[in-house]
Amino acid sequence: NAGVTQTPKFQVLKTGQSMTLQCAQDMNHEYMSWYRQDPGMGLRLIHYSVGAGITDQGEVPNGYNVSRSTTEDFPLRLLSAAPSQTSVYFCASSYVKAGGTNEKLFFGSGTQLSVL
Amino acid sequence: SQQGEEDPQALSIQEGENATMNCSYKTSINNLQWYRQNSGRGLVHLILIRSNEREKHSGRLRVTLDTSKKSSSLLITASRAADTASYFCATARKAAGNKLTFGGGTRVLVKP
Repeated sequence: NAGVTQTPKFQVLKTGQSMTLQCAQDMNHEYMSWYRQDPGMGLRLIHYSVGAGITDQGEVPNGYNVSRSTTEDFPLRLLSAAPSQTSVYFCASSYVKAGGTNEKLFFGSGTQLSVL
Repeated sequence: SQQGEEDPQALSIQEGENATMNCSYKTSINNLQWYRQNSGRGLVHLILIRSNEREKHSGRLRVTLDTSKKSSSLLITASRAADTASYFCATARKAAGNKLTFGGGTRVLVKP
């Protein structure tokens, strides 16, 4: 079982470059999300999606873009990388219970991004 | 500020001892979840407790939820060196579209 697959695992960018972090899940989960984790801190929600064609902003959306054209894929785009975006990025998905409550999240293994 | 706040931020215990960490939150929730993160890895789900539940067990883990105090606790009994990790609580809030919001975590070190 693949679960949640994130690529790449590591990436170094120069300030101003753009790139896309890929996320795919094979569990037919409606809910997908992107978090960033900075040293010694918890996870902060960047963007999330409750189904194909539906996305919304989380706590720290600035500088990031998402789309959800299929149930399986939820890519995260950095439009113009900045050093403040140096972080570890996690994609996560979950089943949504009837009534809209998120059940447990399944996480990818993370992407370590450095912006110079 | 974050919805969930864990306490303590760090905990160091001897193997065999119990470890207790707490999570406080601010607004009404649908459920509260605990996750473990080993160094350099993704988070792994441990337990989900719903707002109408007061206590849940899973192996050596015991989670309590007190909605009147807006707090939860995670107890790890008879800790092992392999329990060394960071532990996070996450809340699914009714007022926030049920997306999950994480606290800052408790770093647990179990010394052999």
